[in-house]
Amino acid sequence: EAGVAQSPRYKIIEKRQSVAFWCNPISGHATLYWYQQILGQGPKLLIQFQNNGVVDDSQLPKDRFSAERLKGVDSTLKIQPAKLEDSAVYLCASSRLQGDSPLHFGNGTRLTVT
Amino acid sequence: QKEVEQDPGPLSVPEGAIVSLNCTYSNSAFQYFMWYRQYSRKGPELLMYTYSSGNKEDGRFTAQVDKSSKYISLFIRDSQPSDSATYLCAMPTPGRGSGAGSYQLTFGKGTKLSVIP
Repeated sequence: EAGVAQSPRYKIIEKRQSVAFWCNPISGHATLYWYQQILGQGPKLLIQFQNNGVVDDSQLPKDRFSAERLKGVDSTLKIQPAKLEDSAVYLCASSRLQGDSPLHFGNGTRLTVT
Repeated sequence: QKEVEQDPGPLSVPEGAIVSLNCTYSNSAFQYFMWYRQYSRKGPELLMYTYSSGNKEDGRFTAQVDKSSKYISLFIRDSQPSDSATYLCAMPTPGRGSGAGSYQLTFGKGTKLSVIP
């Protein structure tokens, strides 16, 4: 079973620029999550999709962050404009079911905002 | 008080030692408890998953839950250099979103473990 694929692995941008991250979940996994992991912290949920619908985006800073999963498979997360405090690893995860179904994480995109 | 508290370490032990990693939590609604392992520059991977109070063993790993004290532990026996990683406890809870099935994993900060050969 192929794992969760994410790209790019690393990205360095200047503040006020925009950036986009891509995620392809495990085949057949209906639920997709984006997490933000700041250095020294545990991952924090940004948004949860069920198929192509948003289930939870309560912790997504919507003034600058957006995400979509148009066809219910892969997803993109965008930041525009970026701030210094957005420097973090952005992790995508997927699960077969909602609820307490275990999450499978990708290796993340490490974003540095200068 | 944060929902999940975990000592970030770092923790350094000699090869072969028994390692004890711990988390405390404040929300009585937590019913399931997970431990994830995260190697450097990798995503977290699920290590152990338990529903109930008591112990669950998987090879060299034992997960322990004490719901009355709101305390969970992960023990690693005969620790190996390959166990060097950050260990994150996590607990699933209903999310704060308005969609049906909104679900969130609340993570601890993670404990960074180094096993020295």
